[in-house]
Amino acid sequence: QQQVKQSPQSLIVQKGGISIINCAYENTAFDYFPWYQQFPGKGPALLIAIRPDVSEKKEGRFTISFNKSAKQFSLHIMDSQPGDSATYFCAASGDYKLSFGAGTTVTVRA
Amino acid sequence: NAGVTQTPKFQVLKTGQSMTLQCAQDMNHEYMSWYRQDPGMGLRLIHYSVGAGITDQGEVPNGYNVSRSTTEDFPLRLLSAAPSQTSVYFCASTSPGGAYEQYFGPGTRLTVT
Repeated sequence: QQQVKQSPQSLIVQKGGISIINCAYENTAFDYFPWYQQFPGKGPALLIAIRPDVSEKKEGRFTISFNKSAKQFSLHIMDSQPGDSATYFCAASGDYKLSFGAGTTVTVRA
Repeated sequence: NAGVTQTPKFQVLKTGQSMTLQCAQDMNHEYMSWYRQDPGMGLRLIHYSVGAGITDQGEVPNGYNVSRSTTEDFPLRLLSAAPSQTSVYFCASTSPGGAYEQYFGPGTRLTVT
């Protein structure tokens, strides 16, 4: 049983649009919530991460929103570009062991 | 720095064969782990190690063995390959005391027939 539930499975967005991916978790011991980006044939790479004492973190066009009481967090990709087309994984960790969501394939149409 | 390297990149095995997937990192990271990636299931932790000589099981350890004799290397052994082990395998490493950022290798695509 996955400890982190991720949705949607895939999404298509027009260039310049906003992509939103949602994740939910149950284990309140998790204290680190990263997002990984993976291109075909490559390993995942850390995109952005947040700790539960912060409600939002922004890095460039990527923003994590975190709702501790609801045990949910989301990734927003603003001004989506074709180069953002990839699979995105949310994850959660409490002791260096990462529990991953199932992944969301994002396709940005030019 | 090469980061995390994995060999081979592709492998085809017959059911019952054994093999070792190699993983090495040159960042002096103490923590290393192995994941398998299957469609619709994200990445699942197989085994991990918090330092040389110390290993432990993750979420899906059955059918796999690991050892950690040096800080740099963390090989994954398939004892008797089964079709259910067809997957993409990723090795990752991280440094304790940091932000838990895990650096992933390029992966090994394994097919068991």
